[in-house]
Amino acid sequence: QVQLQESGPGLVKPSETLSLTCTVSGGSISLWYWSWIRQPAGKGLEWIGRIYSSGNTDYRPSLKSRVTISKDTSKNQISLKLTSVTAADTAMYYCATGDNGFDMWGQGTMVTVSS
Amino acid sequence: DIQMTQSPSSLSASVGDRVTITCRASQNISNLLNWYQQKPGKAPKFLIYLASTLHTGVPSRFSGSGSGTDFTLTISSLQPEDFATYSCQQSYSSPPVFGPGTTVDVK
Repeated sequence: QVQLQESGPGLVKPSETLSLTCTVSGGSISLWYWSWIRQPAGKGLEWIGRIYSSGNTDYRPSLKSRVTISKDTSKNQISLKLTSVTAADTAMYYCATGDNGFDMWGQGTMVTVSS
Repeated sequence: DIQMTQSPSSLSASVGDRVTITCRASQNISNLLNWYQQKPGKAPKFLIYLASTLHTGVPSRFSGSGSGTDFTLTISSLQPEDFATYSCQQSYSSPPVFGPGTTVDVK
């Protein structure tokens, strides 16, 4: 059973960089592609980007200039970096994966952007 | 980006009711449409892929249909554990886009 666990600071100051990690257990991150998805409180889900088993990445166009997704196969972890954050980046952040859709999700980690 | 809309945005129903939620894509996405269920404070749960194929373990009271631009999610007999928010998501092209969600609450 593959399990995903997000971690990272819950509070980030405006203009700084948001950094999150998704630790995967029960399966290798080399096998699938892995996405980051976020959800502001009371709003819908927004896909941020993904990293393929090859290491190639694909980002949401509106966030592309600020986002980097990477992986560490030795630690079985996926990372998200989002630069120059504003209050609009306050959200629950999830990592997720799957073949036909997002069929496996972490529990999510809440990130608040505030000074 | 492909835009996804859902209707209604919310509905009130009773246990045993038949519930239908509609999802519409801004362009033809064939059958590349997924459905999710989300309860407050929880991650989404994958329900249906390829518009009509139930994910492993999803009860048969859930069904999906549609192709092209118009899709539906139907719960044939609403159960207490089905009160939640349902979202569609297109997997036809990047970026994957989710609908805004439909909340099913107690009548």
